[in-house]
Amino acid sequence: RKEVEQDPGPFNVPEGATVAFNCTYSNSASQSFFWYRQDCRKEPKLLMSVYSSGNEDGRFTAQLNRASQYISLLIRDSKLSDSATYLCVVLYNQGGKLIFGQGTELSVKP
Amino acid sequence: DAGVIQSPRHEVTEMGQEVTLRCKPISGHDYLFWYRQTMMRGLELLIYFNNNVPIDDSGMPEDRFSAKMPNASFSTLKIQPSEPRDSAVYFCASSLRANRDTQYFGPGTRLTVL
Repeated sequence: RKEVEQDPGPFNVPEGATVAFNCTYSNSASQSFFWYRQDCRKEPKLLMSVYSSGNEDGRFTAQLNRASQYISLLIRDSKLSDSATYLCVVLYNQGGKLIFGQGTELSVKP
Repeated sequence: DAGVIQSPRHEVTEMGQEVTLRCKPISGHDYLFWYRQTMMRGLELLIYFNNNVPIDDSGMPEDRFSAKMPNASFSTLKIQPSEPRDSAVYFCASSLRANRDTQYFGPGTRLTVL
């Protein structure tokens, strides 16, 4: 079983749609959680951190459920520019070792 | 402010040749990471350094791979001899001591071994 698992995708949605990505992690000692975004043939970039209380950044909302070892990302009013691969990422300790999920591809169509 | 710099951006080589990938982290960052990304395996951590010292190299696939960080502003990842299965995108990333959770990635080196 992979340490971090994501929805396989791809997700094809129209502009303006709301889309949700899910992610589960296997190590209960995981301490920090993130969503990274990766555009085609580019490097991953931090989208947002994920906190236990849930957090929002504009159209993006991230949720964490430690009991279920589950992370989610909700994108509202999706834009064409949201098309990318979204990577769920887990940090196991403060040493900085990140474990990446395989990524979920999102394609927003006009 | 310059981000993480990697060179070369693209490398095509023949099986058996030595390949050296280079990385310059963001100035002031204490942590440096080398990743490999393939379609089959996704993004994998190969090795990371803290203050130029290798901390965890458990992701290095085999002895053909080696990494060095001779100073705070430069690191290399070497593959000798290279094999076709080494074909991938290799990313370097760096992070601050105080905020090492956030890693900043370089543009990557796309390696093709024929």
